[in-house]
Amino acid sequence: QSALTQPASVSGSPGQSITISCTGTSSDIGAYNRVSWYQQHPGKAPKLIIYDVVNRPSGVSYRFSGSKSGTTASLTISGLQAEDEADYYCNSYRRNSSPVFGTGTKVTVL
Amino acid sequence: EVQLVESGGDLVQSGGSLRLSCAASGLAISDYWMNWVRQAPGKGLEWVASIKEDGTERDYADSVRGRFTISRDNTKKSVTLQMNSLRVEDTAMYYCARDGGWHCFDHWGQGTPVTVSS
Repeated sequence: QSALTQPASVSGSPGQSITISCTGTSSDIGAYNRVSWYQQHPGKAPKLIIYDVVNRPSGVSYRFSGSKSGTTASLTISGLQAEDEADYYCNSYRRNSSPVFGTGTKVTVL
Repeated sequence: EVQLVESGGDLVQSGGSLRLSCAASGLAISDYWMNWVRQAPGKGLEWVASIKEDGTERDYADSVRGRFTISRDNTKKSVTLQMNSLRVEDTAMYYCARDGGWHCFDHWGQGTPVTVSS
């Protein structure tokens, strides 16, 4: 099964807002409100930061928010901080299919 | 502390075998699908295998089907990945992850490195 499509890189200055897109199909993102996002710092394990499109697990900063329109999900980081520099991956439920991750986006804080 | 801890990663020659283990502490896993996800050096996340709560269903990525076997022991709160006929392209960090539902991976281990040499 094909991976979800993300931009390879996104950058922004401290304090700015950036948005990462995750493009799927009518069989995954377009069909279910089951999109999750993961943050991965270099040398560290991934960490869940958004689930069910818009929800944040306990302890995750309010600066991270998720949304969805059609077959595209988005992760917005507001008030960008140096500590947000990391790789970000999306994931969506797909019925009768194995899990698949997005291609990943490297966020650089200028 | 809530955690998943992987072990068993090593340097092995092509064609060899390894057995990875994942132990859960402070975290329930018996009611959840459990997974192995890997990440080759400089690459993205790749789902490898998953196993149902009671072990009656298993699923594998095409790249490992027939070579890897996932299993679990809920009494010991552990998950295992038996890897046979290893290839150079299996070189990666291997993570154990709990599926909190709907393919949402809510808990991850720190990973165990596997290097396959030619």
